[in-house]
Amino acid sequence: DTAVSQTPKYLVTQMGNDKSIKCEQNLGHDTMYWYKQDSKKFLKIMFSYNNKELIINETVPNRFSPKSPDKAHLNLHINSLELGDSAVYFCASSLGTDSPLHFGNGTRLTVT
Amino acid sequence: EDKVVQSPLSLVVHEGDTVTLNCSYEVTNFRSLLWYKQEKKAPTFLFMLTSSGIEKKSGRLSSILDKKELFSILNITATQTGDSAVYLCTRSGTSYGKLTFGQGTILTVHP
Repeated sequence: DTAVSQTPKYLVTQMGNDKSIKCEQNLGHDTMYWYKQDSKKFLKIMFSYNNKELIINETVPNRFSPKSPDKAHLNLHINSLELGDSAVYFCASSLGTDSPLHFGNGTRLTVT
Repeated sequence: EDKVVQSPLSLVVHEGDTVTLNCSYEVTNFRSLLWYKQEKKAPTFLFMLTSSGIEKKSGRLSSILDKKELFSILNITATQTGDSAVYLCTRSGTSYGKLTFGQGTILTVHP
């Protein structure tokens, strides 16, 4: 199936650990994103990559580091996890600036 | 930061009712307004609106944009239990793919 897929679906870890979330899209899109959805359901952009180049980097702690090995992949690595990092993280992709985003199913991160 | 405000925050109706969801936004660097439906997982795309006054329809759902008054509405007629979801309004500006989302409207449709 054509889709945006991210792994893992659930991630439970302790404070201070380092973890990664992987994202892959097979839609042929040139732009990929990471969004964070907090407990109040607000979706906020974290990063955006176009053709492997970082183009949006919102005010996210530098413990968060995205990596795009190719156009179809955008991974998110988080160092020294904190309680406040608990949220659902969505990967998304789009074709160009004005196309709708296609979202993955999210990764629910719980930091204890 | 560009704001998107949705109302109501939650809505409970019975099957067969018609609902109207509202979204207002700030005008700075506006390019388009989009509606998404979020059930348990990924938000799924419904509509993208760029021009004022042109209604977009998909089955029982329709949406329209008013660029003068800076708002959009999403209508759902003859609601079904499967319409129960969070409906997200978002706008795009000039930053590449940077969508500003509203807080969503939680729609619950009872049988």
